Amino acid sequence: KAGVTQTPRYLIKTRGQQVTLSCSPISGHRSVSWYQQTPGQGLQFLFEYFSETQRNKGNFPGRFSGRQFSNSRSEMNVSTLELGDSALYLCASSLAGVPSSYEQYFGPGTRLTVT
Amino acid sequence: SQQGEEDPQALSIQEGENATMNCSYKTSINNLQWYRQNSGRGLVHLILIRSNEREKHSGRLRVTLDTSKKSSSLLITASRAADTASYFCATEGVRGASKIIFGSGTRLSIRP
Repeated sequence: KAGVTQTPRYLIKTRGQQVTLSCSPISGHRSVSWYQQTPGQGLQFLFEYFSETQRNKGNFPGRFSGRQFSNSRSEMNVSTLELGDSALYLCASSLAGVPSSYEQYFGPGTRLTVT
Repeated sequence: SQQGEEDPQALSIQEGENATMNCSYKTSINNLQWYRQNSGRGLVHLILIRSNEREKHSGRLRVTLDTSKKSSSLLITASRAADTASYFCATEGVRGASKIIFGSGTRLSIRP
């Protein structure tokens, strides 16, 4: 089985721009979660999607949004980029509807740099 | 804010020694998971322990959970160079759905 894939792997954007990151979960996995990882704040939960519905959301501003498609692929979008949005964005998929009851499989991440 | 806090923040040991990392959390949990991350890459799930379990083993890994103290420990026995990584605990509170909160991590270095 192919693992979780994330595209692109690296991205450089300018302040004020917007960006879309993509995540393809493992085949058969219906839950996709997104995390932001920075040296200062560590790993922070952004949101989780299950069957195209956002089931949970972390404490991030409305500039961060996401969606999930019928094939479980997910995208997250960040609008009006700020320097502080520079981070590693990780996507994780899991088999069941409650990620914490089943192990999450993480993708390699997208390294976003905002200049 | 982070639910779990790992201790120590960094640990350096000789290859072959055992490594112990601790995680403390604040609220009641359904379960606790440990993950490993190699240098800025994706996380790898190591082990999940449920709130009604006290100890779990997986290969060279041993995890304990003390819900009365709101703490967990991860023991890696007979460490190897490949164990060099950051280790995170992750918890899901009893209240709320599937929101997982990660701790700040322990950076483990294995010296040859």
